[in-house]
Amino acid sequence: SQTIHQWPATLVQPVGSPLSLECTVEGTSNPNLYWYRQAAGRGLQLLFYSVGIGQISSEVPQNLSASRPQDRQFILSSKKLLLSDSGFYLCACIRSGGYTFGSGTRLTVV
Amino acid sequence: DQQVKQNSPSLSVQEGRISILNCDYTNSMFDYFLWYKKYPAEGPTFLISISSIKDKNEDGRFTVFLNKSAKHLSLHIVPSQPGDSAVYFCAANLIQGAQKLVFGQGTRLTINP
Repeated sequence: SQTIHQWPATLVQPVGSPLSLECTVEGTSNPNLYWYRQAAGRGLQLLFYSVGIGQISSEVPQNLSASRPQDRQFILSSKKLLLSDSGFYLCACIRSGGYTFGSGTRLTVV
Repeated sequence: DQQVKQNSPSLSVQEGRISILNCDYTNSMFDYFLWYKKYPAEGPTFLISISSIKDKNEDGRFTVFLNKSAKHLSLHIVPSQPGDSAVYFCAANLIQGAQKLVFGQGTRLTINP
């Protein structure tokens, strides 16, 4: 079954600084990959998904971008963080075994 | 446009009693539904799912009911235990171009001893 590694677990960044969150998947190939965000008191909102290398779809307009440079690597980035980017970011994948989630990154923008 | 809604942000239940968490959806194209349990600073943990062609699925203390005509599903936990205290998310699977999981806002369940 697939395993997702996500890091870092927590991150505190100043407003205007760049961001790079990485997610890697083990135990499967050619998965669909997803970035979700849970803002304070909110549900899990789908930000981006990818069905293959270099293929990124954005669900909501925002200050973030995503990239998939390798089959099992999914990166969430920002050039300049906003306070509203604070939240809990989850990477997920789906392959034959259903959906699997990473352990998440708590991002606080100060 | 919130396609999956959990209208109760919180629920408090006595230990040993039944917990009922509710979820409504608007998109008829969802092909199966899932319930996840989530603790702070952790990823969601899968609990139970149900196909859109079924109306009930049971797994131990957890039962999910689906009412397609009402576009409503519910999760029953019986008996409720203190370890069940967490945030519960309803999610729906959609294949529209690509496969996606759409989540509700979550319900915080507290089990009181």
